[in-house]
Order: sequence, then structure tokens, then C-alpha cells
Amino acid sequence: SQKIEQNSEALNIQEGKTATLTCNYTNYSPAYLQWYRQDPGRGPVFLLLIRENEKEKRKERLKVTFDTTLKQSLFHITASQPADSATYLCALNTNAGKSTFGDGTTLTVKP
Amino acid sequence: ETGVTQTPRHLVMGMTNKKSLKCEQHLGHNAMYWYKQSAKKPLELMFVYNFKEQTENNSVPSRFSPECPNSSHLFLHLHTLQPEDSALYLCASSQDIVSAGNTNEQFFGPGTRLTVL
Repeated sequence: SQKIEQNSEALNIQEGKTATLTCNYTNYSPAYLQWYRQDPGRGPVFLLLIRENEKEKRKERLKVTFDTTLKQSLFHITASQPADSATYLCALNTNAGKSTFGDGTTLTVKP
Repeated sequence: ETGVTQTPRHLVMGMTNKKSLKCEQHLGHNAMYWYKQSAKKPLELMFVYNFKEQTENNSVPSRFSPECPNSSHLFLHLHTLQPEDSALYLCASSQDIVSAGNTNEQFFGPGTRLTVL
């Protein structure tokens, strides 16, 4: 069956460091992958999208990589700030449509 | 604000009650979605509507009944729910339905926190 795994439920890092979040999948052939941010009591907010034929995407301090051989996406936040503390969700989309979400990684950036 | 509003933000109901959740999007989108988010579980897609027509029902129990009177409004009617239905119910919209060839970003509302006693 299809499975999406995001690394450790919680990730704690020091301000200024780079946070790296992982999204692994099995039995899946996504056409593209999205990363969302979710704050407590709010709905997810879209951050970045990467297609299956793209290796890397950047947006300001954010970088996403997509390795279809390893079946893995990495999400990096450089020069992290306490305001980056949130839950980050990856979502996979197939050519058949509809998004399937991972269960998220909660990032805490300590001052 | 994402342009997607949901009411009420919090709802407590008994198992015999009937209530409705409302979602409205002000983005001119054609597709709308209902998701369920339970503690420690991933977002679960429930229903998808495209141009007011239901295109996806992800094996959702009949005690959840969606309604989409137009492309801007989406309702979720609830009746005889169970305590395990307690969760955050999220509505989302996108320009068009997520499918091959497009990369439609979904805009989420703030959700309705539902508690079933």
C-alpha cells in the first residue's frame, strides 16, 4: 500500500542553523510534491512545489529537493528563525489527481 | 487570510444532533475540498467538488453529507456522529481540480474544531 513518512514527529534546532525535513514515500509515483506549513489552530499554507522532473527548487530561505530514485524529498530552511517554528507537511500528487499528505514534522527553532 | 473562510470555528455536538459546517471561498476557484485532520494522523481527503459536481468521495460514512450549491460555497452536514469523528475539519479550494498537467495550489481555511460528546 502507499505510504508517506516524514522524519521524526518533532525536530528541535538552534536559531541560525539549517533545518532539514524529510519526506519518504513507497509504492507511489508522484507527478509532483508540495510542502505546506501549518500553525496551531490554522489550516495549512502552501510553500513550495516541485515536479518529478525537477531536482531542486528555491524560494528565499527555503529549498526543496526531489529524488525519484530514492523516493525522497528534502525540505531545507536556512538561517532558521523562531518564527519558522510550525508543523511542515509534505503532499504527493499523482497523475490521477488528488493530494495525499504526510503526517507532518513539528519544527521548533530555539533562540 | 487565505480567502477561504469557515464557520463555525468551534463546534460541540451530541451524537444525536444535526449540524452543518460552512465554507466560503472568495478566490474565484472552481474546485473545493473537505479534509479531516485528527490528532497524530495525516490530513484525510473526504470530498472533492469541481464546478459544483462531486468528483471524489473517499469512502466517507454517510453520516457526513456534503453540499455544494455553487462554486463559492461548500457545506458539510453532520448527523448521528460518533466521538471518533471529533477532529479538525478543513475546507480548501484551488483554481481547478488537482490533476495531471496542472499544479494547483490548495488554499485552506482555518478549519472547524469539532467535538462529539
